[in-house]
Parts: sequence; C-alpha cells; structure tokens
Amino acid sequence: RKEVEQDPGPFNVPEGATVAFNCTYSNSASQSFFWYRQDCRKEPKLLMSVYSSGNEDGRFTAQLNRASQYISLLIRDSKLSDSATYLCVVNVPGGSYIPTFGRGTSLIVHP
Amino acid sequence: DVKVTQSSRYLVKRTGEKVFLECVQDMDHENMFWYRQDPGLGLRLIYFSYDVKMKEKGDIPEGYSVSREKKERFSLILESASTNQTSMYLCASSQTGANQPQHFGDGTRLSIL
Repeated sequence: RKEVEQDPGPFNVPEGATVAFNCTYSNSASQSFFWYRQDCRKEPKLLMSVYSSGNEDGRFTAQLNRASQYISLLIRDSKLSDSATYLCVVNVPGGSYIPTFGRGTSLIVHP
Repeated sequence: DVKVTQSSRYLVKRTGEKVFLECVQDMDHENMFWYRQDPGLGLRLIYFSYDVKMKEKGDIPEGYSVSREKKERFSLILESASTNQTSMYLCASSQTGANQPQHFGDGTRLSIL
C-alpha cells in the first residue's frame, strides 16, 4: 500500500464551483502535512501547510483528520487559473523527516 | 525568497554517457533532495542529504549517485545513462525540522538517446 494516496481525477468543474480533494496517509506517526500545486511542465510550489486545527488562505481551506489519517483541501469559487495538479505531501519520520508525495489530483476548471 | 537553481532546463545525452545534474540553493538549507517525475508515477525520491558529505538512498537510487561537498550544492550523477532515465529531474531543499516545507528548482528535462 502506498504511503500517501490521492484520487488522480481529473476533477472537472465549472468556474465558481466548490471542489474538495482528500489525501490519505498510512503512517500514524507522520508529523507534518502540506499541499503543493504543480502546473503542467513546471515545478511543484507550496500552496499551504496543513495545521492540526485546520487553516484557511483566501479561497483555500486545509483540514487534518488524524483519527482517520487524511488531509483535505477545499477550493471555493474556483477560477480558471486554479487548473493544476494538487500534490499532497506528508513528512514521515525516518531518522529525520522524509517528505512523501502523493501522485497528485488533477483539477480542470472550465468556463 | 528561497532560490533553488538547477543547472539546465533541458538536456540531451547519449546512452552510456556520464551525466551530471547540478543544484544550488541560496538559503543555507541543511536538507537537499533529488526526485524524478514521470507521468502516472508522481515524484519519486532518488537520493537526499541532511548535511555536507552525507547522503541517503531514496526509493529509486539504482543507476544514480550523488555528491554534496558544499552545503549549498547537491549534484546528481547518472553513472552510465540509459534510455529509461529519460525523465524530469527535480531538486528541492528545506530547513531541518518536521514542519519545514520543501522548495523546488525549475526542473531539468533530461532526454537520453
């Protein structure tokens, strides 16, 4: 079983829609969690860290559920420019902390 | 802002060549990483380093080696390039600590002919 799993999608939504992605992780000792955004043929860029109490940045909300071992990303009022692949990253303990990536969820926002 | 610089955006090499990919970061980060990314497979960790002269194998180290002689520089070496090493290679760095995110370079798209 892969340590970090995401639904690859694509999620195809109209502008203005609300869309949510989940990411499950297998190591209960995982310490920290992040969402990255990756545009086609570009490098991943940090979108937001995920805090235990949940956190919001504009139209984006991230949540952590330690009991069920998943994190989520909610995007409200989707824009065309939100079209990208969203990568979930979990820092897994192992000597130091090893960032483990999910394979990403593709989002397509259409007019 | 953190700057992670990879030496080439695009590189074409021949089978059997020794290939060097260079990565430099300017934020005094302790940790550096090399990944490859292929369609449908996501990012896969090749090697990482938590300090100068230290290296650890990632998930797919076969056919690769690394060098970290200076804190700011982490080199990936393809000892004898093969066509199955054609890929996008991404370098990242981060500070020490569980809550520190990674910062990525632009990537090197490597083609082995």
